[in-house]
Amino acid sequence: GENVEQHPSTLSVQEGDSAVIKCTYSDSASNYFPWYKQELGKGPQLIIDIRSNVGEKKDQRIAVTLNKTAKHFSLHITETQPEDSAVYFCAASMITGGGNKLTFGTGTQLKVEL
Amino acid sequence: KAGVTQTPRYLIKTRGQQVTLSCSPISGHRSVSWYQQTPGQGLQFLFEYFSETQRNKGNFPGRFSGRQFSNSRSEMNVSTLELGDSALYLCASSLFPRGSEKLFFGSGTQLSVL
Repeated sequence: GENVEQHPSTLSVQEGDSAVIKCTYSDSASNYFPWYKQELGKGPQLIIDIRSNVGEKKDQRIAVTLNKTAKHFSLHITETQPEDSAVYFCAASMITGGGNKLTFGTGTQLKVEL
Repeated sequence: KAGVTQTPRYLIKTRGQQVTLSCSPISGHRSVSWYQQTPGQGLQFLFEYFSETQRNKGNFPGRFSGRQFSNSRSEMNVSTLELGDSALYLCASSLFPRGSEKLFFGSGTQLSVL
């Protein structure tokens, strides 16, 4: 089955700096890669996603890049703010007409310091 | 638009008991998935339902079961509870067929088994 590795497990940055979180996946058939943000006491919230036919996607301060050959994808957050502090999860799945089963990475605790 | 609603928010049970968790998806969403989140194992897929049928199943023992009703609401049941079942149980819903890959999570039910 699919296996997703995520690094680093913790990341501390100064406000205004950039943060990068990296993930690798094992199953070359995976074609969908979402990123989730989880704040304390809440469920994961989808912040950005990318499909395998796209190399990069951007949404304001957040961007995701995908390298299918190397089987890795990354989340980039620019101009970090204190409210970006949370746990971030990457995930991978193979989208078929039969549904969507996500395999998650182990999470990155991001702390944005003032 | 209301989000995914999970009840109850917290549950305390003892070993050997059974428990039923409830999930109401976002209005119009017909697919419901369940995930288990623990500090040690992270987020793991339990099962996915669409149109009252289980479409996918994760690697959990038969003590974990679920069902979906005609109004898309879903329940999951865990029988003969073990200490290791203590976890946050998350429900997610999605549209089908278009946009089915985007999962929207509820805040979860925190189950403690004593």
